[in-house]
Amino acid sequence: QSALTQPASVSGSPGQSITISCTGTSSDIGSYNVVSWYQQHPGKAPKLMIYEVNKRPSGVSNRFSGSKSATTASLTISGLQAEDEGDYYCCSYAGTSSLLFGGGTKLTVL
Amino acid sequence: QVQLVESGGALVKPGGSLRLSCTASGFTFSDYYMSWIRQAPGKGPEWLSYITNSGSVRYHADSVRGRFTISRDNAKNSLYLQMNSLRAEDTAVYYCARYRDYAFAHWGQGTLVTVSS
Repeated sequence: QSALTQPASVSGSPGQSITISCTGTSSDIGSYNVVSWYQQHPGKAPKLMIYEVNKRPSGVSNRFSGSKSATTASLTISGLQAEDEGDYYCCSYAGTSSLLFGGGTKLTVL
Repeated sequence: QVQLVESGGALVKPGGSLRLSCTASGFTFSDYYMSWIRQAPGKGPEWLSYITNSGSVRYHADSVRGRFTISRDNAKNSLYLQMNSLRAEDTAVYYCARYRDYAFAHWGQGTLVTVSS
């Protein structure tokens, strides 16, 4: 199984909205509504931002939202803030009790 | 609050073995599935394995099946990863994480495993 495909980098100015895509196949994202998204700052562990495609854990800002269409999931961050800068990873159940992560997207806040 | 603390990371030679531990606190450990995830330098995370709350069922990624084994001791609030036949490509930070709803809501700080001669 190959990693899910994400753009290497995205950028935006404070206050803008950005969207990060995560492309899989009919065997993972296309078959299950269990995509999750993680934010990681340098030297820190990943933090769960979205689960089950579009649900936010308690404490996560409503500026973060998730969606899915066919084999592509997306994370949208609205009202971009400096603290949103970091790496973002998607993850999906891939059947046979396995999970796949994406390669990651570096978000730069200009 | 939920706390996960990994330990056991070290420098080990190719072909060697290592056992990682993860001690949990702040929640009822025996109620939750647990997982190991690793992240090689500059790469995305890679899911390795998960184990049910009772420990009766466990799954491993193809990349480590037959070499790595996940286990737990609910009486000690501890999760383990036995790693055998280590290779250079196993070099990574290893995280334990609480697993629920196909997501990892809580992660430890990680422990570094380096495989090199």
